[in-house]
Amino acid sequence: DQQVKQNSPSLSVQEGRISILNCDYTNSMFDYFLWYKKYPAEGPTFLISISSIKDKNEDGRFTVFLNKSAKHLSLHIVPSQPGDSAVYFCAASFSSGSARQLTFGSGTQLTVLP
Amino acid sequence: EAQVTQNPRYLITVTGKKLTVTCSQNMNHEYMSWYRQDPGLGLRQIYYSMNVEVTDKGDVPEGYKVSRKEKRNFPLILESPSPNQTSLYFCASSYSGTATRQFFGPGTRLTVL
Repeated sequence: DQQVKQNSPSLSVQEGRISILNCDYTNSMFDYFLWYKKYPAEGPTFLISISSIKDKNEDGRFTVFLNKSAKHLSLHIVPSQPGDSAVYFCAASFSSGSARQLTFGSGTQLTVLP
Repeated sequence: EAQVTQNPRYLITVTGKKLTVTCSQNMNHEYMSWYRQDPGLGLRQIYYSMNVEVTDKGDVPEGYKVSRKEKRNFPLILESPSPNQTSLYFCASSYSGTATRQFFGPGTRLTVL
């Protein structure tokens, strides 16, 4: 039973347009969410996070939105660039300082077309 | 340079032959963890360690062992590998738990024949 789901395995977007990656979770106890980006032959790298006390967090071109009632989060990339082409994983955890486990979604391959 | 290193990067072995994948971090992080990545399943946590001598099971611990004798090292041990352990493995570390940014190693591609 996957507690964190990314239902779109792939997404293609034109350069300069907005990319929207979606993620759903089932465990209402999760209260901290993260996005990681992964290039081929490299480990994932942290992109952005959000706590459940917020509904939006921005960092440059990247914005994460959290809808707690729908148990849904999304990552917006504006404008999209070819270098953004990668696999994006959303992950859920607990905000406690002793949080020990991270649950990942299955990932979405984003391709930004020049 | 702050980093997590893993060795080997690629390994092909046979069923039943014990192997160890090493992981080391130079950031003085308390927390370390192992994940495996499989198609369609994302990353799944194998084991984690909150500090030296403190380890615990993640979601898929069967067939794996770990140890944390030093803060910087967190080796993953497969005592008797089987073909269903063929996967891409990542080690990660963070300052404190999973609610802080984790730094991942480059990955180890393991094939068990």
